[in-house]
Amino acid sequence: QKEVEQDPGPLSVPEGAIVSLNCTYSNSAFQYFMWYRQYSRKGPELLMYTYSSGNKEDGRFTAQVDKSSKYISLFIRDSQPSDSATYLCAMIKETSGSRLTFGEGTQLTVNP
Amino acid sequence: DTAVSQTPKYLVTQMGNDKSIKCEQNLGHDTMYWYKQDSKKFLKIMFSYNNKELIINETVPNRFSPKSPDKAHLNLHINSLELGDSAVYFCASSPRARVYGYTFGSGTRLTVV
Repeated sequence: QKEVEQDPGPLSVPEGAIVSLNCTYSNSAFQYFMWYRQYSRKGPELLMYTYSSGNKEDGRFTAQVDKSSKYISLFIRDSQPSDSATYLCAMIKETSGSRLTFGEGTQLTVNP
Repeated sequence: DTAVSQTPKYLVTQMGNDKSIKCEQNLGHDTMYWYKQDSKKFLKIMFSYNNKELIINETVPNRFSPKSPDKAHLNLHINSLELGDSAVYFCASSPRARVYGYTFGSGTRLTVV
């Protein structure tokens, strides 16, 4: 069983929609939670990171962590065609140094 | 200025060949990594170096050998390439104080024929 589960999609939404992306994890040792965006033929780029349970907002993006349910989410408001990419959740355990454990990634398309 | 640069971007080679991928970062980060992304986009760590010292060595075949000549460089040498080695290989770096502050390179797309 994978430590981090993420629905690979694909997910297709109209421009302006609210997008919800989710990951679940099985190991409570995960302490840092990140969301990366990866455009086609590019490397992943860090969108947001959180350390504790709760919400963190940055512009149109909100990251949510619920450690009790082992569940993290990324919400994108007013989605734009430029948001079309693969979104990867990633996590780090305090005991494993800086090793990132990734979800499979969700492919998102925002249609104009 | 590119923060994490990898060369080459594309590599097509025959089975059995030996090839190397080079990576350089100009961010002053302490830690560098190699990650492999398979055809399903799943990213998995292979190796990590902290200031030239190997600290993570995942279960990868011995044919893969990383080398870090200094803090800013991390190379990956692959011997006796196999079809299953075809993937995108990403170099990344992170600062010691912010382990989550990864910066990835743009990847090397390796195709073994």
